[in-house]
Amino acid sequence: QKEVEQDPGPLSVPEGAIVSLNCTYSNSAFQYFMWYRQYSRKGPELLMYTYSSGNKEDGRFTAQVDKSSKYISLFIRDSQPSDSATYLCAMSAVAGGFKTIFGAGTRLFVKA
Amino acid sequence: DVKVTQSSRYLVKRTGEKVFLECVQDMDHENMFWYRQDPGLGLRLIYFSYDVKMKEKGDIPEGYSVSREKKERFSLILESASTNQTSMYLCASTSPGAPYEQYFGPGTRLTVT
Repeated sequence: QKEVEQDPGPLSVPEGAIVSLNCTYSNSAFQYFMWYRQYSRKGPELLMYTYSSGNKEDGRFTAQVDKSSKYISLFIRDSQPSDSATYLCAMSAVAGGFKTIFGAGTRLFVKA
Repeated sequence: DVKVTQSSRYLVKRTGEKVFLECVQDMDHENMFWYRQDPGLGLRLIYFSYDVKMKEKGDIPEGYSVSREKKERFSLILESASTNQTSMYLCASTSPGAPYEQYFGPGTRLTVT
């Protein structure tokens, strides 16, 4: 079993839709939960991070962490064609020197 | 802005060749990483370094080595390239104050024929 599981998609939605991206994990030691966005032919860029459980909102993006279920989500409201990218979840623990484990990434297409 | 640059965007090498991939960051970050990215497998850590001349194996170090002679530069070496090393290689750096935020380079698409 992989430490982090993420559905690779692709996920195709119409412009304006609410998008839900999810990951599950198995290591209860993870404390930092990140979402990276990767455009085609570019390196990933940090979109949001959350420490421990709870929600975090940044504009149209909301990150949720449920440590009891070992489940994290990223919601995108009013999705735009410019949101079309691959979204990677990532997690790390303080122990082990903050080694980061990445999900496989979900490819998202937002159609105009 | 933090900038991480990689020496090549695209590289084609023959089986058995020695390959050097270079990464340079301009933000004085202590920590640097090399990943490979393959469809369906995500990013897998090859090697990382927390300081000059210091290196640690990641999850898939076999067939690779690294060098960090200067703080800003981290090199990945494929000792004898093989076709199963065809991949996208990504370099990243972080500061100790924000270990959750990795800054990535644009990647090198390596093809070994």
